Amino acid sequence: QQQVKQSPQSLIVQKGGISIINCAYENTAFDYFPWYQQFPGKGPALLIAIRPDVSEKKEGRFTISFNKSAKQFSLHIMDSQPGDSATYFCAASTGNSNSGYALNFGKGTSLLVTP
Amino acid sequence: DAGVTQSPTHLIKTRGQQVTLRCSPKSGHDTVSWYQQALGQGPQFIFQYYEEEERQRGNFPDRFSGHQFPNYSSELNVNALLLGDSALYLCASSLDPGVRAQYFGPGTRLLVL
Repeated sequence: QQQVKQSPQSLIVQKGGISIINCAYENTAFDYFPWYQQFPGKGPALLIAIRPDVSEKKEGRFTISFNKSAKQFSLHIMDSQPGDSATYFCAASTGNSNSGYALNFGKGTSLLVTP
Repeated sequence: DAGVTQSPTHLIKTRGQQVTLRCSPKSGHDTVSWYQQALGQGPQFIFQYYEEEERQRGNFPDRFSGHQFPNYSSELNVNALLLGDSALYLCASSLDPGVRAQYFGPGTRLLVL
């Protein structure tokens, strides 16, 4: 059972545009929400992460918006560039320092930024 | 600063065989997690190791086992390989079990024929 639902499956954006990827979850125990970027043949790279006590977090051109009541969060990539073309994964985790924290991933969004 | 390293990069096995994959965590990290990523899917959590013990396990059969060494490196073993085990196996490390950020290696691509 997919614990984190991600949409869209694929996205085409023109250079300079805004890319928006959405995720939804059901488990209210989730309390850490990272986004990863993966290029072909590489492992996922941590982009940005948010905790549920914050509604928005910005790092450079990347912004996470978080809506706790709707159990949704999204990634916005401002001024999208061809180099941003990759697969993006949202994830969520819960746990504790004894048992550790397992990441539950969405199925991914393939982003293509056209010149 | 060396990131997470994994070996080998690619591996081809036949059904029924056994495989061992290796991971060295990022410098200073002592917690290692393993994930399986099927083609076109997000990574699925297999298990996490800390202090040489399995701390948490995902929904994977006992054919999947692991080990962590005193230097924090880790191995993933898969017995009685099935065609469905073909995937990219990713290792991730974190500073300790209480730190959320996990950093991934490049993965080992396993093909089972």
